[in-house]
Amino acid sequence: GAVVSQHPSRVICKSGTSVKIECRSLDFQATTMFWYRQFPKQSLMLMATSNEGSKATYEQGVEKDKFLINHASLTLSTLTVTSAHPEDSSFYICSATFSDRAPTYEQYFGPGTRLTVT
Amino acid sequence: GQQVMQIPQYQHVQEGEDFTTYCNSSTTLSNIQWYKQRPGGHPVFLIQLVKSGEVKKQKRLTFQFGEAKKNSSLHITATQTTDVGTYFCAGRVFNDYKLSFGAGTTVTVRA
Repeated sequence: GAVVSQHPSRVICKSGTSVKIECRSLDFQATTMFWYRQFPKQSLMLMATSNEGSKATYEQGVEKDKFLINHASLTLSTLTVTSAHPEDSSFYICSATFSDRAPTYEQYFGPGTRLTVT
Repeated sequence: GQQVMQIPQYQHVQEGEDFTTYCNSSTTLSNIQWYKQRPGGHPVFLIQLVKSGEVKKQKRLTFQFGEAKKNSSLHITATQTTDVGTYFCAGRVFNDYKLSFGAGTTVTVRA
């Protein structure tokens, strides 16, 4: 159980275009979803925390107008990279936790999305 | 803000040997979690430590949480090729769902 999917797994887009990444919890209702960015051979950098039906909470230094997060349901969160530029190229990975995992609230990670902006 | 430091960044181990990776937080943690990310994969939850001085074992893996709840370690004995990957510690402060991840220790094993 506790499977998280991400789509697409890879995407290549042109500079200036927008890209949407979906994160779904397949067999549970996610209390909270998280979006991370991971650079090659580096750690996970938390971008934002999102709860269903409310605005995402962005980490310091993350532009909320550039990285739009929508958490429309308990099983789906989307990250839209708007007006993408080459420096946005990265590995974006989502995770989810749910109330049944209290008090641990361990996070279940999706497989990630490799974004390349040309 | 909260920072979690992890060392070493890389660990090259001879198969059968032991090694330890260390994690230190700039602030007191409510709990600490450990994750493993295999090459090309995504992080997978291993364990959580909550109590001061807590020690937990999973087969050849031993996890410790410091008395001050600001540091943690993962010790692997008799390393096997299946241990290859990056091990991340992630700390959580009180009343927050967020995790702050360490930089990770990437382990390679020489057969």
